[in-house]
Amino acid sequence: AQTVTQSQPEMSVQEAETVTLSCTYDTSESDYYLFWYKQPPSRQMILVIRQEAYKQQNATENRFSVNFQKAAKSFSLKISDSQLGDAAMYFCAYRSSLPGGGADGLTFGKGTHLIIQP
Amino acid sequence: GAGVSQSPRYKVAKRGQDVALRCDPISGHVSLFWYQQALGQGPEFLTYFQNEAQLDKSGLPSDRFFAERPEGSVSTLKIQRTQQEDSAVYLCASTPSSSYNSPLHFGNGTRLTVT
Repeated sequence: AQTVTQSQPEMSVQEAETVTLSCTYDTSESDYYLFWYKQPPSRQMILVIRQEAYKQQNATENRFSVNFQKAAKSFSLKISDSQLGDAAMYFCAYRSSLPGGGADGLTFGKGTHLIIQP
Repeated sequence: GAGVSQSPRYKVAKRGQDVALRCDPISGHVSLFWYQQALGQGPEFLTYFQNEAQLDKSGLPSDRFFAERPEGSVSTLKIQRTQQEDSAVYLCASTPSSSYNSPLHFGNGTRLTVT
């Protein structure tokens, strides 16, 4: 079974600064998807960015980018120019490429609470 | 609808009561997932439907938990004889296909409190 580990329960950053959230995972599969989701107090999980394991190029979405190190099984999220609206819980998630059942779903880490200091 | 809709948003139940939580996925979405999120934790998989077929229920914590999606659209998660440890946020998500690269769209969840 896959596991996802987020070792930072909480991170704090000054507005307009850059912050990096870490995530490591364990899998024996070679092809899979990795995601970062944001969960504000409204509770809705919002997709921030995703990365296909077979792609070497790191994904980027505006101020959000990832550092994907497949050999190290590491998938960190960098948020540049942090804004007050970025404050939320951030969850790293893994999705298997193998068909069938719950493997189609996501395995989440425990999350990192991101605080933005004005 | 525009997104995944869950109701009720909050539910308080006395220990021993039965509850039913509803999920209305995005129209046309094939796959539907239920997750349980305890306070301060990440969501944990409960069960998965492809259309009306429940393909995986390995995450359901006990036989008090039951989920259905009889017509392949709306789904209901039922918890019988609720216990305090059932208190959590229950999230529903849907995807347009069963492909693993299809991102999950989540609802706002139902916060269940068992007293």
